[in-house]
Amino acid sequence: GQSLEQPSEVTAVEGAIVQINCTYQTSGFYGLSWYQQHDGGAPTFLSYNALDGLEETGRFSSFLSRSDSYGYLLLQELQMKDSASYFCAVEGNTGFQKLVFGTGTRLLVSP
Amino acid sequence: ETGVTQSPTHLIKTRGQQVTLRCSSQSGHNTVSWYQQALGQGPQFIFQYYREEENGRGNFPPRFSGLQFPNYSSELNVNALELDDSALYLCASSLPKGQTGTGELFFGEGSRLTVL
Repeated sequence: GQSLEQPSEVTAVEGAIVQINCTYQTSGFYGLSWYQQHDGGAPTFLSYNALDGLEETGRFSSFLSRSDSYGYLLLQELQMKDSASYFCAVEGNTGFQKLVFGTGTRLLVSP
Repeated sequence: ETGVTQSPTHLIKTRGQQVTLRCSSQSGHNTVSWYQQALGQGPQFIFQYYREEENGRGNFPPRFSGLQFPNYSSELNVNALELDDSALYLCASSLPKGQTGTGELFFGEGSRLTVL
């Protein structure tokens, strides 16, 4: 099976940098994705790592290390609107697009 | 906004009843997946439809079933509702595997089902 663990909650202040970690146990997967979900809203795609290393998309960056079974999402120049839940997810090599999501991290950004 | 719409947004049912949830996928997307999200947890894969056929299923019992129509819209049906079925049901559309390097899913805002 596949399981992904994340810290349940992270707090930070506006303008700061925060890192949300994701450790996983899986036999094989295509890539690691990150999704953001505001309360009452739809999960929205943020980033994807197929290969080891860092992917940068504006204020957000994501990192993957397959050898360490570990990834993280880095959010820079935090804004109040970044307060949301963040999920890492892996797409298994099953032949169809099934995402297995992590436990989720609730980010609270304060003024 | 993703262009994926779901209905109804909220509904309340009692144990043993049946429910049908509907989803219209984003234009051009012929793959639809359904996920169940319990409060405070990550979404869990129920099944996926591609060209009107179920082509993948998660660890859910047969009383969870679905359909995809020629216009790629989809339905999720749940029979014999149980209390544990109370959750947010998310529909996600996507391009077929291989047509996108990221496998990005486009989610709707979900249907919140409460079973009493």
